[in-house]
Amino acid sequence: SQQGEEDPQALSIQEGENATMNCSYKTSINNLQWYRQNSGRGLVHLILIRSNEREKHSGRLRVTLDTSKKSSSLLITASRAADTASYFCATAYGEYGNKLVFGAGTILRVKS
Amino acid sequence: GAGVSQSPSNKVTEKGKDVELRCDPISGHTALYWYRQRLGQGLEFLIYFQGNSAPDKSGLPSDRFSAERTGESVSTLTIQRTQQEDSAVYLCASSTQGAVTEAFFGQGTRLTVV
Repeated sequence: SQQGEEDPQALSIQEGENATMNCSYKTSINNLQWYRQNSGRGLVHLILIRSNEREKHSGRLRVTLDTSKKSSSLLITASRAADTASYFCATAYGEYGNKLVFGAGTILRVKS
Repeated sequence: GAGVSQSPSNKVTEKGKDVELRCDPISGHTALYWYRQRLGQGLEFLIYFQGNSAPDKSGLPSDRFSAERTGESVSTLTIQRTQQEDSAVYLCASSTQGAVTEAFFGQGTRLTVV
C-alpha cells in the first residue's frame, strides 16, 4: 500500500497542551499534506509541505518532513477544544505526482 | 458554486440495486478524486481524473464500480449490484493541479445498503 501511516491512532490531551501526530510513508513523494476531518464528513486542508522543504508553519501548526526517514509530524500548539477532530496525512506520488493517497488518521480529543 | 457539491447527501438502497453518486467540482479545477471512507477508517482512493487524460482507476475495488467525468465538469460514481460492504461515505475532492496543490472536499454521500 502507498498509504501513509499515522500514529498514534488516538490522542487525548487537555486544552492548552501541545499535540503531536506522526506520519510515515513508503515511497518517494512530491509533497505531503495534512487534513482535518470533523464529524466524519468533508476534509479541510491544513498545510502542504514539499519534498524539498523540512519545516513549515501555519498559525498554531508546525509540520516537519524528513524524507530520509520517510516521515512527517504535525504539531498543534496550545490546543483548543475546537481542535478535536481526525487528522490525516496525504502523500502525493506517482509519475506526475498527482495521486493523493491518505493514511488511516489520528483521532485527537482535546478536553476542556 | 463556491465549493465542491455532492449529491445526494444520504442514500439508502437495497442490496442488489444500482446507485449513482454525483460530484460537482469547483469551477476551473482540472483534477477530481473519489474516495471511500468506511466508518472509523481512513480514506480509500478510488479514482482520479485529470483534465482530458485517461483516469487513474487503480483504486476501484471491483468491476461493479465505475466513474465518469465529462471534461472538467461533473463526475458520477456508479455502483452496480450494491452489496452491504459498499456501505460507506463516498467523498469527492477537486484541485487546480492534481496533488501539487490542496484538494477541496465535498461533504460526501453516506451510502447505506440494506
